[in-house]
Order: sequence, then C-alpha cells, then structure tokens
Amino acid sequence: DAKTTQPPSMDCAEGRAANLPCNHSTISGNEYVYWYRQIHSQGPQYIIHGLKNNETNEMASLIITEDRKSSTLILPHATLRDTAVYYCIVRSRGDQGGKLIFGQGTELSVKP
Amino acid sequence: NAGVMQNPRHLVRRRGQEARLRCSPMKGHSHVYWYRQLPEEGLKFMVYLQKENIIDESGMPKERFSAEFPKEGPSILRIQQVVRGDSAAYFCASSPTYRGNTEAFFGQGTRLTVV
Repeated sequence: DAKTTQPPSMDCAEGRAANLPCNHSTISGNEYVYWYRQIHSQGPQYIIHGLKNNETNEMASLIITEDRKSSTLILPHATLRDTAVYYCIVRSRGDQGGKLIFGQGTELSVKP
Repeated sequence: NAGVMQNPRHLVRRRGQEARLRCSPMKGHSHVYWYRQLPEEGLKFMVYLQKENIIDESGMPKERFSAEFPKEGPSILRIQQVVRGDSAAYFCASSPTYRGNTEAFFGQGTRLTVV
C-alpha cells in the first residue's frame, strides 16, 4: 500500500507556481521522498527526490518539512504541458530493492 | 544515451494466446521493475529483477505470468493464455543499483489488447 496521501486534484493558472502537497507521516529514517508524473498515460517521468534537505533541479523544487512528515513539490512557472498526474512516493534507501509503490496521485490541471 | 526501450508499443492478442513484452534497460542499468496499469487505474508493481535473478515478485499474479532478465538481452514479461482482463498498459523501469537513492527511469510502455 502507498504510504502517502495527496489531494486527488488541483488547478493552477498558467505561469503561476504549482504547489503540490504530500503527507507521509509514517515515513522512516531510511526512506526517500520521490516525485514522478504521468502525462496522459505515457510512461511515468522522474521529477525529483530527497531525503531531508530541500532539493532543486531544472524541473522543480522539493521542500521537505523538518520532521519529514510532509513535503511540497513546487513547479515554479506551470505551463499547459505540466498537466499530468503527480505521484509522491516514499522509497526505501536500503537493501529491500527500492521498488516504487504508486498511490492515486494528484491530477494537476494547468489552465490558460 | 537511449532511455528505457519497450517493445512492442502496441500488442493485440486473441484470448488464449501468449504475450511477450520486452524491456531493454538504460545502458549500465542492471535492475528492472515491471508495472501494470489497468484502464482508468493506477500503476501496480508486479516484479523486480536483477540480471538472472527475481528479487521481488510480490505483485505478480500467481498463474500465467512470468518474468525473466537474462544475462544477455532484454527483460521479458510473459503472459500465457491471455484473457480480456489482461488488457492494460505494461511499463518497465530500470535503475543502476538497488539502492533507493538512485532514480528509476520508465519506458513508454506496451499496450496490450486482448480480443
């Protein structure tokens, strides 16, 4: 079972920042927070991941709370092509094989 | 650097036939994961393999489904005696290690239709 909770859907205006929340209150010390997205039934696309520090790459920023029980994915300037289902996943860092367990995700609609 | 390659992209099989789905991981990746996505549903983990080993098959249906990742060549997901309920998109992902701090990258999937 997925260990994360996300809102089922969100809207965002084009050009604005999209802030997608994720609750992972049962996360353990050896688990990473990963974000993927799936655009219209294509293969899931890796976005970003982190352990406890905030992370930024060319696609997004990941803000993890100090207690690690929740995080926020930020798309700084959303475009129509960012419309997708976004998945927040906790993933073991250890020897368990690191499989990704997908929940229901958040369906983000970017509107003009 | 080519990404994860899956073929065929679309596969049509009659009930009772066999389906073979192939996944070539990214260069340097020796770990492969298979997922299934039924229409209008989420992604479900099926199996995790390393070269010549099945590590975790906790998501595999007990019958008709098998997977392999030989020393040479792609990983194969095999479905015997397909039924209409097997119609789905099948995705594979690869990663260079088993550790959870390395990204796994997905292919574009194989869409299986059973008629």
